[in-house]
Amino acid sequence: GAVVSQHPSWVICKSGTSVKIECRSLDFQATTMFWYRQFPKQSLMLMATSNEGSKATYEQGVEKDKFLINHASLTLSTLTVTSAHPEDSSFYICNHKGDLQRAEAFFGQGTRLTVV
Amino acid sequence: AQRVTQPEKLLSVFKGAPVELKCNYSYSGSPELFWYVQYSRQRLQLLLRHISRESIKGFTADLNKGETSFHLKKPFAQEEDSAMYYCALPRGSYIPTFGRGTSLIVHP
Repeated sequence: GAVVSQHPSWVICKSGTSVKIECRSLDFQATTMFWYRQFPKQSLMLMATSNEGSKATYEQGVEKDKFLINHASLTLSTLTVTSAHPEDSSFYICNHKGDLQRAEAFFGQGTRLTVV
Repeated sequence: AQRVTQPEKLLSVFKGAPVELKCNYSYSGSPELFWYVQYSRQRLQLLLRHISRESIKGFTADLNKGETSFHLKKPFAQEEDSAMYYCALPRGSYIPTFGRGTSLIVHP
């Protein structure tokens, strides 16, 4: 099956710095990728939909200037958390658009971000 | 608006006991529902989907439109079933709407 690779798996950064998270599709072309955030003991929440070659679509309440998404190629989508704050500490996960006929969606392994 | 509700944050059972993880949904139309599982330190992965009516790792889930439920069941829990389980409802042709997840702990 398709594989999505997310990097890094975990990162610790200082407040005010920026962190980039990469999501790569290894054996398929992903025109659409999704970015989720999961706070401790809460569900995955969709942050934005990343579209290759165009602007990302953000969910309500998600600051697009803070969470920059770039999807410049069919195999790479990046999420940059800018001017990170401790409240941005969370688990971020990407996933490839699933095919309902195959009923599958492919997830990266996730990135644990801790802002100190 | 569509919604997925998993009322239990934590479900703790002993090995060999039956397990039922609850999922209720709110959706106008004919839903397609899924269960995802996330084992410790592993990525989220699809467990089963209602349209296939299959049994995966001994788990089954039946869509009950009258009760708007899609509960996940297993007659005899195993220790390796310990994981986070997410019920999910597609939006369009993909799957962004998840319940908050239920942590299943199976004790030896």
